[in-house]
Amino acid sequence: IVMTQSPDSLTVSLGERATINCKSSQTVLYSSINKSYLAWYQQKPGRPPKLLIYWASTRESGVPDRFSGSGSGTDFTLTISSLQAEDVAVYYCQQYFATPITFGQGTRLEIK
Amino acid sequence: QVHLVESGGGVVRPGMSLRLSCAASGFTFSDYPMHWVRQAPGKGLEWVAVISSGGNNEYYADSVRGRFTFSRDTSNNTLSLQMNSLRAEDTAVYYCARDSPVTGGAFDIWGQGTVVTVSA
Repeated sequence: IVMTQSPDSLTVSLGERATINCKSSQTVLYSSINKSYLAWYQQKPGRPPKLLIYWASTRESGVPDRFSGSGSGTDFTLTISSLQAEDVAVYYCQQYFATPITFGQGTRLEIK
Repeated sequence: QVHLVESGGGVVRPGMSLRLSCAASGFTFSDYPMHWVRQAPGKGLEWVAVISSGGNNEYYADSVRGRFTFSRDTSNNTLSLQMNSLRAEDTAVYYCARDSPVTGGAFDIWGQGTVVTVSA
């Protein structure tokens, strides 16, 4: 399953909304339980990735509520409602519906 | 506190072997499938392999199948990644990561990574 993110990079002002899109080449929705096996990760320089969102829209414990995920099937969005300085990072989507597990190419988020 | 700590990285020549380890602590190791993910310099994340909670099933990315072997030792709470016939394109930071049933299989815990450099 090929994961394609857009845009590749994004520059947003502090306090503004940031939106990152992710599209899978085939569905990652497990229809019997109505859950999409799609996760979002944040990676800061020199650090491992950090899980933000799983099942497309469930926020991991401890993740600020300005981060939200939406979508189902093949089209997904990560939204940061009010950008903070500490949100500068690269963001990756991942499908874990099927092996091989695949990641998007990443979206670099910077402050304007 | 839940921790994963990788070790074993280094600089090797093409064709050589290297064995990475990942030490787990703070959780019931035998309950969780585990993964290796790598990241080439300046590049994105690439999934490498998974091992089942019981250690009896593994699955590999096409890029490493037949060269890498993933194993786990439940008595010592450790993972091992035996890497043979290394190539320049295997140069990367290698992370071990926990596959959480709570998340349906997303990776909720990551190690800090260990650096592998394959160069003549």
